[in-house]
Order: sequence, then structure tokens, then C-alpha cells
Amino acid sequence: GAGVSQSPRYKVAKRGQDVALRCDPISGHVSLFWYQQALGQGPEFLTYFQNEAQLDKSGLPSDRFFAERPEGSVSTLKIQRTQQEDSAVYLCASSLSGPQPQHFGDGTRLSIL
Amino acid sequence: DAKTTQPTSMDCAEGRAANLPCNHSTISGNEYVYWYRQIHSQGPQYIIHGLKNNETNEMASLIITEDRKSSTLILPHATLRDTAVYYCIVKGASGGSEKLVFGKGTKLTVNP
Repeated sequence: GAGVSQSPRYKVAKRGQDVALRCDPISGHVSLFWYQQALGQGPEFLTYFQNEAQLDKSGLPSDRFFAERPEGSVSTLKIQRTQQEDSAVYLCASSLSGPQPQHFGDGTRLSIL
Repeated sequence: DAKTTQPTSMDCAEGRAANLPCNHSTISGNEYVYWYRQIHSQGPQYIIHGLKNNETNEMASLIITEDRKSSTLILPHATLRDTAVYYCIVKGASGGSEKLVFGKGTKLTVNP
């Protein structure tokens, strides 16, 4: 079946521009997660949704980062006024509830020039 | 704040079993052990998870010690495509944070 789909696969933006990254989770998965992965590091948690409710946004690095999941399915991660340190791979994962594992997309590689 | 300890790197010969250890001495009673791997330019791939019993699926086996303070991921017949960074993660099933906390993982290199 279809896995987690993320778009675009690559995004290049100039410093100061706003970007929007999309995540299509596995159908029926109630939980959705965003992670940020810097070069050579493991993924780091950004935020978590259960259906349309954002239950944990403790990992968002600043108020320039905003995520939404208005209908409990597709999610968008928006970064305003991008800075060079925002360059990273942004990963989305989805899961059923409880101990069920998270399944990841292949990420969006964001480069800020 | 990873709660697991893994060797930085390991090597394995193609066709042999790869045994990847993980220490999680502070694991709580309701926390599961999850294993993921990440191949360059791809997202983490789920491998297997368990609570206290040993588990096996088409990809690997997970052996958890009786005291649950450590575990071993076994790839029975490693291939070159198994070269990846392997992450061992401990997470509760519910009632707490749902996030995965990744450490540095083990870089497994399978040699021909």
C-alpha cells in the first residue's frame, strides 16, 4: 500500500522567504509527526498531531515554524522568514495509536541560500 | 535525550548474521523497544519492536533480555543493502510523549 508521501522532495529558497512543506500520511493513521534532521545527525522531533489536534509542539525551534492538519489528514509545515540554519531534511511520520510504529516519508530537503 | 546506548559503528561480512546491541538500562515497565534504520537520502525505516518477548518478522529478530535492560537486533543473513544507520529507541505506548527520540545510532557496514 501507499506509504507516507512528502512534497516537494527538494526545496531551495532564499533567506527571508516563506516555505510550505506537505505531508500525506498513510490512510487511516490518526497520529502525524514532523521531525527535522540536520546533516549527520539523527532526526529531532518538532511537533505531533492526533487527528486535527496539535498535542505537542515542544520541538518547534521558534515562532517562525508553524504546522497544521486542519482535516486530520494532510499536514503542512510552514516556515516563515527562513534562515540559513533552517536548512535540513524535514521528515514526516504517521502511525496508528498506541504502541504501533511510526512510518516515515523520505523527507523534504530544504536548502536556504 | 536518548535513553539508549549503542556502539558507534560495526562491520559485518555479507551473508553472516549481524547482531546489533542496545543498552536501555532505565527502561520503564510500559516502554517498548523500537528499531529503525536509515539508508542515505531516505527516511527512517521501521524494522521491529517489542515489549518483553522476543520478536521476529521478515526483516529481523529482536532479542530482549529478561531484565529488559538491553536488547539485540539480529539480521540473520546480512546483505550489502543492509548497510545503514540503525537506531534503537525506547518509547512508552501511551499516556506520555508520543515522539521518538533518536540517538546517534550504529553505523553498520556490510562488507562483500
